[in-house]
Amino acid sequence: GQNIDQPTEMTATEGAIVQINCTYQTSGFNGLFWYQQHAGEAPTFLSYNVLDGLEEKGRFSSFLSRSKGYSYLLLKELQMKDSASYLCAVSPFSGGYQKVTFGTGTKLQVIP
Amino acid sequence: GAVVSQHPSRVICKSGTSVKIECRSLDFQATTMFWYRQFPKQSLMLMATSNEGSKATYEQGVEKDKFLINHASLTLSTLTVTSAHPEDSSFYICSAIMTGQAYGYTFGSGTRLTVV
Repeated sequence: GQNIDQPTEMTATEGAIVQINCTYQTSGFNGLFWYQQHAGEAPTFLSYNVLDGLEEKGRFSSFLSRSKGYSYLLLKELQMKDSASYLCAVSPFSGGYQKVTFGTGTKLQVIP
Repeated sequence: GAVVSQHPSRVICKSGTSVKIECRSLDFQATTMFWYRQFPKQSLMLMATSNEGSKATYEQGVEKDKFLINHASLTLSTLTVTSAHPEDSSFYICSAIMTGQAYGYTFGSGTRLTVV
């Protein structure tokens, strides 16, 4: 089965850095997604990690440790528009069109 | 980049009626599309995998006779909620993968269904 855990809510200050953690226990693993979802909208793709290590994309970075079943999303220079839910999701197998399992999401509130 | 159009964005229907939701891939072909449901403050739950030209694969607990999926072309999948009830009120989202692409699911904009 699939078990994905993330904190339910987080609050951070505008301009600061926040780290959103995700741990997973899955029957198969190929890679881990991070998505951003604003209230009432569909998720938008942020990153996909397959290999261990940190991948940076502008203000957002994503880290993966396959041996520990752990990932985090790092948001720097927080802006008010970053207030949203952040979903981590696991892709179980490589290749093909495999089902993705989503975590429950972390609702981030950025305050002035 | 790849765009998935979902229509309608919001729909209110009476209990017992049926509602059709369309998911179209624009400018790319999608042999596989996924349908998700999201209740308030919950995550996306996969309902079914829609394959062009064949029957959809439903997740455990999802009634295939209630949620009819038709993937008639490489750019269109439809989800019909039949005999809708208030408990079917939810946010329905489709996603598609460009043929030949292994990841990077593109999501539609979602449909807010309210059954009264």
